[in-house]
Amino acid sequence: DSGVTQTPKHLITATGQRVTLRCSPRSGDLSVYWYQQSLDQGLQFLIQYYNGEERAKGNILERFSAQQFPDLHSELNLSSLELGDSALYFCASSGRGWEGVYGYTFGSGTRLTVV
Amino acid sequence: GDSVTQMEGPVTLSEEAFLTINCTYTATGYPSLFWYVQYPGEGLQLLLKATKADDKGSNKGFEATYRKETTSFHLEKGSVQVSDSAVYFCALRRPAGGSEKLVFGKGMKLTVNP
Repeated sequence: DSGVTQTPKHLITATGQRVTLRCSPRSGDLSVYWYQQSLDQGLQFLIQYYNGEERAKGNILERFSAQQFPDLHSELNLSSLELGDSALYFCASSGRGWEGVYGYTFGSGTRLTVV
Repeated sequence: GDSVTQMEGPVTLSEEAFLTINCTYTATGYPSLFWYVQYPGEGLQLLLKATKADDKGSNKGFEATYRKETTSFHLEKGSVQVSDSAVYFCALRRPAGGSEKLVFGKGMKLTVNP
């Protein structure tokens, strides 16, 4: 157990629907990152939150949004889902004092299948 | 922008074979470099890291040296085991603009046969 908890582990939904993925960071970590892993695109950075504030944005579609709550857990909302959104979605967290020295701690991911 | 290029697999080796996975990067400044490993059905785990030129990261028999002159961070292991079967990702992090995001290579799947 890495300490980063993602739920649900698997999600199957239809095109056009909306889903919410949840992430609880490792205890004490203030930063949360979301990544999408697909076969053709590899690991793509979506968005980062630090202590409730958006810190950096990557290749995140307008149909996707995220937030980090006061208890530091984060949610990734995916709407108007398309077949191409099927992927593994990873959450990672890192602690205070990140200066390029520490790696992330990854959760085990949510596998989203859009049918 | 920043990018990481690594060997594309998949690669199949026999147990006790020598492993090299090439990784080169493009980034301004002095990025930190990482190797992550993803075992089947799991998330990514940090394998090793290096934060400045000529640093050598090592863990579980794996090694990689930060070569700024060739912008490389090749992963090596002298004798692989079946348990090393996984996907290996090279990554960099450039401390600029307040973002700590990691930029990953596409990953290389390694299968080690007994």
